[in-house]
Amino acid sequence: KQEVTQIPAALSVPEGENLVLNCSFTDSAIYNLQWFRQDPGKGLTSLLLIQSSQREQTSGRLNASLDKSSGRSTLYIAASQPGDSATYLCAVLTQGGSEKLVFGKGTKLTVNP
Amino acid sequence: NAGVMQNPRHLVRRRGQEARLRCSPMKGHSHVYWYRQLPEEGLKFMVYLQKENIIDESGMPKERFSAEFPKEGPSILRIQQVVRGDSAAYFCASSRQGGNTEAFFGQGTRLTVV
Repeated sequence: KQEVTQIPAALSVPEGENLVLNCSFTDSAIYNLQWFRQDPGKGLTSLLLIQSSQREQTSGRLNASLDKSSGRSTLYIAASQPGDSATYLCAVLTQGGSEKLVFGKGTKLTVNP
Repeated sequence: NAGVMQNPRHLVRRRGQEARLRCSPMKGHSHVYWYRQLPEEGLKFMVYLQKENIIDESGMPKERFSAEFPKEGPSILRIQQVVRGDSAAYFCASSRQGGNTEAFFGQGTRLTVV
């Protein structure tokens, strides 16, 4: 059974800092891994999707890496801004049958001005 | 191309009433997934449907919950005789195909049972 863990559960940083969010998963047989952003009371916004054959994806100030063999992914946010404050969710799509995403509980990020 | 549309955005029901949550997938998408997010919890898979078929309902509670995706119209998640523990955010996602295809999420329906 796939399990996804995100560390830390919460993170508070001053504006301008570079930061790393961590995600680990127990079953390395995945199709892809996706990072989402969720604002309070809102839906999910997809940030980056990394296929199992890829090592990283970049979008603007965001960079996500994937090490499938060790079951780890990191989301790097450069030059953080107060507008980055949100909960960041990691999810994996596991091979072998069920096509559901398995989510971590998220990291709640606060960027202080 | 409109995104995944869910309605209502907020729903309040008294204990024992029925809740109906609707999801219209993106244009051209025939695969729909429902997830539930309980307070302080991560999103949990509930059910995966294609048009007129339930593919995987392994995450659905055995009683009171049902889902459908008819040939015409939106997908419906139905909760009968709601209890306070059903209070949660319910998210729908859709994809063009199954398997290794990106799914897109709606804004969710926040159900409050009073």
